[in-house]
Amino acid sequence: DGGITQSPKYLFRKEGQNVTLSCEQNLNHDAMYWYRQDPGQGLRLIYYSQIVNDFQKGDIAEGYSVSREKKESFPLTVTSAQKNPTAFYLCASSNPGTGPYEQYFGPGTRLTVT
Amino acid sequence: GESVGLHLPTLSVQEGDNSIINCAYSNSASDYFIWYKQESGKGPQFIIDIRSNMDKRQGQRVTVLLNKTVKHLSLQIAATQPGDSAVYFCAENIGGYSTLTFGKGTMLLVSP
Repeated sequence: DGGITQSPKYLFRKEGQNVTLSCEQNLNHDAMYWYRQDPGQGLRLIYYSQIVNDFQKGDIAEGYSVSREKKESFPLTVTSAQKNPTAFYLCASSNPGTGPYEQYFGPGTRLTVT
Repeated sequence: GESVGLHLPTLSVQEGDNSIINCAYSNSASDYFIWYKQESGKGPQFIIDIRSNMDKRQGQRVTVLLNKTVKHLSLQIAATQPGDSAVYFCAENIGGYSTLTFGKGTMLLVSP
């Protein structure tokens, strides 16, 4: 089955710790994205990558970091500098080079920091 | 756990009714639009899309209408079913960019 996997589904961390969220896709998509979702809010873009070894900041990149060493993988690290890290994190992928720009989403990781 | 739908605009309908969910977009340069459905605790799923050179597109039980004059998008769901209960998001894309801008969403509640 082709798709996007995110692990784990639930993640708990103590304040002050960095945590890395996994995102893997086997759709052979060039572009990958990380979004944050808070209750009552739309999706806000954290980082995106259009090609391996390249990525751009989204609207709320502060306190987050990413890497794109492989086409299939786009891990997100939530650092201790992120002031309100508790949220639902969604990873997506697309093939923007061919358009249209539909993004396919993973099941999400709910991060709780106490 | 927390609901993604907390504090969202809510549309409540009876099973079998037709539902209309609206979305206003802000950028007149947007030329591609998508509707997504998100069930509680899951990632958004693609429903239907439309390009700016169209004003209507139909899918299975769903229709998207685009009014570029007033920058308005709507999603019509025919014969709404309890399984349609979810949060619905519109998203817009500006040509040449690979990112989407998402609206805040509308929660649809369907009672049997």
